[in-house]
Amino acid sequence: GQSLEQPSEVTAVEGAIVQINCTYQTSGFYGLSWYQQHDGGAPTFLSYNALDGLEETGRFSSFLSRSDSYGYLLLQELQMKDSASYFCAVSEGSNYQLIWGAGTKLIIKP
Amino acid sequence: DTGVSQDPRHKITKRGQNVTFRCDPISEHNRLYWYRQTLGQGPEFLTYFQNEAQLEKSRLLSDRFSAERPKGSFSTLEIQRTEQGDSAMYLCASTPWTGDEQYFGPGTRLTVT
Repeated sequence: GQSLEQPSEVTAVEGAIVQINCTYQTSGFYGLSWYQQHDGGAPTFLSYNALDGLEETGRFSSFLSRSDSYGYLLLQELQMKDSASYFCAVSEGSNYQLIWGAGTKLIIKP
Repeated sequence: DTGVSQDPRHKITKRGQNVTFRCDPISEHNRLYWYRQTLGQGPEFLTYFQNEAQLEKSRLLSDRFSAERPKGSFSTLEIQRTEQGDSAMYLCASTPWTGDEQYFGPGTRLTVT
């Protein structure tokens, strides 16, 4: 079968750093993506990792280890507007359709 | 570039009725995806178009669902004989040929009563 596991909820304080982990088991693997979704909104792209290592984009970084079937999203200098759900998603086939985790709800406290 | 648009934004229908949703992708994006999302879950892949060709369809997709993308531009998703279990947010996304990022529309929220 195929599955993506990520914590259901994470709580952090404004200004802090938080890491959201994702482990996956899929029949194919082309890359790991992260998306942000605010309540009632559409998913918006944050990052994509096809190769092992760390990708940094501003306050957000994403890491992938293909041998461990594991990745994480690191959010730094948290702001209240970062309160949202974060999804990891695997591109399983050559058509890059995404297989999604159930999402991690990030709660940020002042 | 006005982004991906979907119409309608909300649809309430009675069980057994047919519904059709429309997605207008970003112009010149030749890849188009349909997903379904229920509350508290991640989106679930439904089907994929490359230009006008439907190249992939989820094995979980009932034969009551059909999708088209005539002329490789907008796409429609039709659900026949709707059931209460079809209630969900239906999301459309598009991407250019070489893109890793999928651009999502605002979704169509379907409620089947």
